[in-house]
Amino acid sequence: DTGVSQNPRHKITKRGQNVTFRCDPISEHNRLYWYRQTLGQGPEFLTYFQNEAQLEKSRLLSDRFSAERPKGSFSTLEIQRTEQGDSAMYLCASSFPDARGGGYTFGSGTRLTVV
Amino acid sequence: DAKTTQPPSMDCAEGRAANLPCNHSTISGNEYVYWYRQIHSQGPQYIIHGLKNNETNEMASLIITEDRKSSTLILPHATLRDTAVYYCASLVLSGGYQKVTFGIGTKLQVIP
Repeated sequence: DTGVSQNPRHKITKRGQNVTFRCDPISEHNRLYWYRQTLGQGPEFLTYFQNEAQLEKSRLLSDRFSAERPKGSFSTLEIQRTEQGDSAMYLCASSFPDARGGGYTFGSGTRLTVV
Repeated sequence: DAKTTQPPSMDCAEGRAANLPCNHSTISGNEYVYWYRQIHSQGPQYIIHGLKNNETNEMASLIITEDRKSSTLILPHATLRDTAVYYCASLVLSGGYQKVTFGIGTKLQVIP
């Protein structure tokens, strides 16, 4: 297992377009998290899954955002009708339930630029 | 979730110990203190965590005050590759709930 994989690494889109990001977690981890990071800030929690169930969503996750983890393996994060304020790094992480082994393992992120 | 505060930036001479402080005065009894670091264009990387006791691993040491209101991450012999943003974070492990809350981090510059 090579860790958490995120695709694409970079995405440039025009305002109003829809985008989808993919995250492949560490296979043994049943928890998966999405975070958003803007320039100069720490990562901000968006949502998390235990297996296929989405257990918490942040208020940051507006109606334009949707996340899925259909079979409890990979996850997708979709942003509809993108706005310039959506430009950020979107980070995915996975973990065991009890945070053993160091809590989260993060992927390298998807950098979204909305023009 | 505890709010963590850190100095925005610090310098450290190469080969010297880097001591990075974090204030988490609102931390609750079941919240862990976690430290991550982030090198430009990469995701955060786990360093160390603790609840009450001081911890040490191959990367760093974590000193948590007795009242748990603050902690210090110690990199014993900083190298140029340790230049990164270091995040102090809190994590709640309770009844299946788990979420890491990050602060804005300290940008550590290791100087040759």
